[in-house]
Amino acid sequence: EDQVTQSPEALRLQEGESSSLNCSYTVSGLRGLFWYRQDPGKGPEFLFTLYSAGEEKEKERLKATLTKKESFLHITAPKPEDSATYLCAVQAGSGGSNYKLTFGKGTLLTVNP
Amino acid sequence: GAVVSQHPSRVICKSGTSVKIECRSLDFQATTMFWYRQFPKKSLMLMATSNEGSKATYEQGVEKDKFLINHASLTLSTLTVTSAHPEDSSFYICSAKGTYDYNEQFFGPGTRLTVL
Repeated sequence: EDQVTQSPEALRLQEGESSSLNCSYTVSGLRGLFWYRQDPGKGPEFLFTLYSAGEEKEKERLKATLTKKESFLHITAPKPEDSATYLCAVQAGSGGSNYKLTFGKGTLLTVNP
Repeated sequence: GAVVSQHPSRVICKSGTSVKIECRSLDFQATTMFWYRQFPKKSLMLMATSNEGSKATYEQGVEKDKFLINHASLTLSTLTVTSAHPEDSSFYICSAKGTYDYNEQFFGPGTRLTVL
C-alpha cells in the first residue's frame, strides 16, 4: 500500500525565515510526486510535479526536490501570503492505478509578519 | 488554463434528501475525473475515479449506491449523494486530468455539504 508521511504537521515561521517541509513516501513504482497548496475552505492548487530522483523545480519562493525516498519543499524568505496547508501526493506506476493520487496529511504553514 | 469549477459551493439539506454536485473542466477536456472527501484538518481521501462514458471505480469502503457518479461528457462529472445523513456532511472536492500533458490533476474549489 502506498504511504505518504509529511512533517512537520505544523510550522510557524517569521517573515523572511527560510525553512523546508518534508514528504517521505513508500510506493511501488513512483510515477510522479505532486505538491499542492490548499487554503482554508478551498480546493488544492497545483504547485509542482517531480518524476525522478534528483529533479528540482522552482516557482517564486518555492523549490521542490526529490530523492528516492522523500521530497522537500523549500521556502525561501517566506511572506505571510505563503501561509497555507501544503499537501504532498504520490502517483504509483502500477498497472490499473488509473492515475490516482495518495495524499499525505499536509503541513500547515503559518508565516507571521 | 486548467480551471475546474464546482457547483454548488455550499449546500445545506435535510436528512433523507439527495444532493447533486457538479464538477466541470472549463478550458480542457477531462478524460478522467476524481472525487475526494475531506474532513476538517484531515487530508483528501479518494472516493472514486470516473472516466468519460464508463462506470466509476470506487475505492474500498465507499458505497457506490450512496454516492452516484456520472461522467457523461469530457467536461462534466456529477456526484449525487443519495438519502443523505448527517454523517455525510463533509467537504467534497473533484479533480480532473486532461487528455494532454503529463499526470497533473487540477482541483475544483470544493463543495461544503451540511446535512441537518
